[in-house]
Amino acid sequence: NAGVTQTPKFRILKIGQSMTLQCTQDMNHNYMYWYRQDPGMGLKLIYYSVGAGITDKGEVPNGYNVSRSTTEDFPLRLELAAPSQTSVYFCASSDSAARSFGSGTRLTVV
Amino acid sequence: AQTVTQSQPEMSVQEAETVTLSCTYDTSESNYYLFWYKQPPSRQMILVIRQEAYKQQNATENRFSVNFQKAAKSFSLKISDSQLGDTAMYFCAFMKQNQGAQKLVFGQGTRLTINP
Repeated sequence: NAGVTQTPKFRILKIGQSMTLQCTQDMNHNYMYWYRQDPGMGLKLIYYSVGAGITDKGEVPNGYNVSRSTTEDFPLRLELAAPSQTSVYFCASSDSAARSFGSGTRLTVV
Repeated sequence: AQTVTQSQPEMSVQEAETVTLSCTYDTSESNYYLFWYKQPPSRQMILVIRQEAYKQQNATENRFSVNFQKAAKSFSLKISDSQLGDTAMYFCAFMKQNQGAQKLVFGQGTRLTINP
């Protein structure tokens, strides 16, 4: 099993550009999450999903959108990138027994 | 809303020493889980140890153990016989039980350095 796979690992965006961070898991987990980690800080929840077709906002959802058309995939969309969105983004998935994190995407908005 | 506080931004000890990382949390819930995660420079989030709030016995995993004080809402991590590979950021996290979405709330982290 690959676990949770995030792409890309690094990206530089210009202010106002858009992009999608991809996340896929092969563990058949129902729950999936997107977190952001600012320098020297803990992870904050952006959006989460309890199953295909169901998503909900976390602590810091502004400026982001998500979709969950399949159990495996949970992409995060940035529509108009802003410097405040410079961060490391983590995708995670879980079920009742286990939780796995992706290796993160370092995003810089300039 | 739940909050998790780690009051030690950085700690540094010599190899083979014992070190304790502090964590306090605030919740009105009775049933919940607490976790310690390790994040080495590779950025990977690695589960170190987990504690169910209904269990009075403190969790242990090899050199890692916790001191869970439910009434004081305290959840410290003790690392015995510290090794160079223990150098990492450590995050304390809280999760409500039976909430469906299994959302974690993280503390700000403690950067631990093990010196040779």
